[in-house]
Amino acid sequence: EAGVTQFPSHSVIEKGQTVTLRCDPISGHDNLYWYRRVMGKEIKFLLHFVKESKQDESGMPNNRFLAERTGGTYSTLKVQPAELEDSGVYFCASSATVLETQYFGPGTRLLVL
Amino acid sequence: QKEVEQDPGPLSVPEGAIVSLNCTYSNSAFQYFMWYRQYSRKGPELLMYTYSSGNKEDGRFTAQVDKSSKYISLFIRDSQPSDSATYLCAMSKYNFNKFYFGSGTKLNVKP
Repeated sequence: EAGVTQFPSHSVIEKGQTVTLRCDPISGHDNLYWYRRVMGKEIKFLLHFVKESKQDESGMPNNRFLAERTGGTYSTLKVQPAELEDSGVYFCASSATVLETQYFGPGTRLLVL
Repeated sequence: QKEVEQDPGPLSVPEGAIVSLNCTYSNSAFQYFMWYRQYSRKGPELLMYTYSSGNKEDGRFTAQVDKSSKYISLFIRDSQPSDSATYLCAMSKYNFNKFYFGSGTKLNVKP
């Protein structure tokens, strides 16, 4: 069974540009989560989808971040415009039900210059 | 104040040693407690998961939760060089959808 995949693995962009990160959850997992880790800090929750609906987006830092999960399969996280403090590793995780283990992807390393 | 505190290490031990990793937390609403292992350039991988207070053992790994002290531990027996990684504690409230992570402890097991 394929795990959670994320694309790209790395992204280097300039301040003010737009970046879109993609996450493909494990097949059949209705629950999809985005987390991020900025340099020197702990991994922090961003939001949670159940199928295509946003269940909890309390961790989204501001309106420059837009997450979508059209059709309830893969998800995208767009940062527009990117700022220096957005640099970090963005993780996606998925679970079959909300009470089951969250499986994490390898992360996308974003560097904003 | 962070909700979950974890000593970042690094922690260096000889092969075969018993390793003790710990986290403290401040929010008494946390009900579920997890330990993840993360190798360099990889995503976190779930090691252990416990609900409420008590002990749970899985092979060389033992997780302990003391809710009265707001303190959780992970013990690794007979540590191996392949255990060298960053260990992250994580916890969640009753709804189990939003995990709160510690900053991670980097462990190095020397052959």
